[in-house]
Amino acid sequence: DAKTTQPNSMESNEEEPVHLPCNHSTISGTDYIHWYRQLPSQGPEYVIHGLTSNVNNRMASLAIAEDRKSSTLILHRATLRDAAVYYCILRDPGSGGSNYKLTFGKGTLLTVNP
Amino acid sequence: DTGVSQDPRHKITKRGQNVTFRCDPISEHNRLYWYRQTLGQGPEFLTYFQNEAQLEKSRLLSDRFSAERPKGSFSTLEIQRTEQGDSAMYLCASSPFDPYNEQFFGPGTRLTVL
Repeated sequence: DAKTTQPNSMESNEEEPVHLPCNHSTISGTDYIHWYRQLPSQGPEYVIHGLTSNVNNRMASLAIAEDRKSSTLILHRATLRDAAVYYCILRDPGSGGSNYKLTFGKGTLLTVNP
Repeated sequence: DTGVSQDPRHKITKRGQNVTFRCDPISEHNRLYWYRQTLGQGPEFLTYFQNEAQLEKSRLLSDRFSAERPKGSFSTLEIQRTEQGDSAMYLCASSPFDPYNEQFFGPGTRLTVL
């Protein structure tokens, strides 16, 4: 499985934008980039995913580098509720037997200061 | 509440005892997953069901672990002869039959083995 690399932790101030980086230099052409986050004492929740183009949804934006070897999750205005561990995960929907499971790393612990 | 539910939320047991956890997925989801998460780590895949069929088991799932999904609805995860190393958060997730699907996680069952 292609691996991702994320900083262990990042800090932000409330109402400021946050850019969470992820490196995936061995990404294959069919790997989608998924982001999940895990709030304290909760199960992970889906945030966003993309393949090549930048993506936006109500939670966040995903900026994907042109060579796809890195991506950035953007929270436009961080709130205290965004304090969580953020996981960047590669998934290939066409890889047959292993495409259904999520392979989590340690993620990035985001602290949001009031 | 139409999310994934897990019961119990917390379980404390003595080493050597058997424990069973239950997961109720989102009703229309035919895929169900179990993950285990230890402190400071991301969740690790344990096993996966499509309807009632268990299609993959991780090598993390020793012979003491068994999972069932008898009617393709709820699932149980049993651990026999618990060991202190089994102490972890056990997470259940479900998803519809779609290769790009997001997985919806329950709140988890925290197991402490004394």
